[in-house]
Amino acid sequence: KAGVTQTPRYLIKTRGQQVTLSCSPISGHRSVSWYQQTPGQGLQFLFEYFSETQRNKGNFPGRFSGRQFSNSRSEMNVSTLELGDSALYLCASSFGSSSGNTIYFGEGSWLTVV
Amino acid sequence: GESVGLHLPTLSVQEGDNSIINCAYSNSASDYFIWYKQESGKGPQFIIDIRSNMDKRQGQRVTVLLNKTVKHLSLQIAATQPGDSAVYFCAENSGGSNYKLTFGKGTLLTVNP
Repeated sequence: KAGVTQTPRYLIKTRGQQVTLSCSPISGHRSVSWYQQTPGQGLQFLFEYFSETQRNKGNFPGRFSGRQFSNSRSEMNVSTLELGDSALYLCASSFGSSSGNTIYFGEGSWLTVV
Repeated sequence: GESVGLHLPTLSVQEGDNSIINCAYSNSASDYFIWYKQESGKGPQFIIDIRSNMDKRQGQRVTVLLNKTVKHLSLQIAATQPGDSAVYFCAENSGGSNYKLTFGKGTLLTVNP
């Protein structure tokens, strides 16, 4: 059974550009969440989607957005990139959205903003 | 300029010894806790989880202990192996009925052969 798949794995963008990251959850999983990992702040929650609805959101500016499609695949977008957005962006999926459902992470997308 | 990063607690053990990694969580309302292992360049890998109505759960070579009174979580790894070397994170679900994991800053475990 395939794990959580994230694309692209590595990318370099210029300040001011925008970026879209993609996530395919484990087959059958309907909850997808996104996290940002940086050396300075650690792992921080961005948002969580279940059945195409955003159920929870972290403390990030509106430049960070996401969506989920009917097949549970998800994308996140960061507009007007800043140097501080350089990070590992992690997607995680679980079968359900309720507490107690095991959450599995993908390998992440490494974003460098120059 | 100088970069500021999280200063990870570190634990260094000999191969074959038992390891104990500790974590303090922040939200007394959190009802679900997970331990993850993260190797360099990879995403977090699920190790073991525990619900708040339990105080101990065992897996293969790993045990998680939960003390809700002092909001403390620990991960015990038996017979630690070099392949266990990684950063270990505890996470709590503080989002109520919907997921919102809050992660600890992690502990770097180094296993010496």
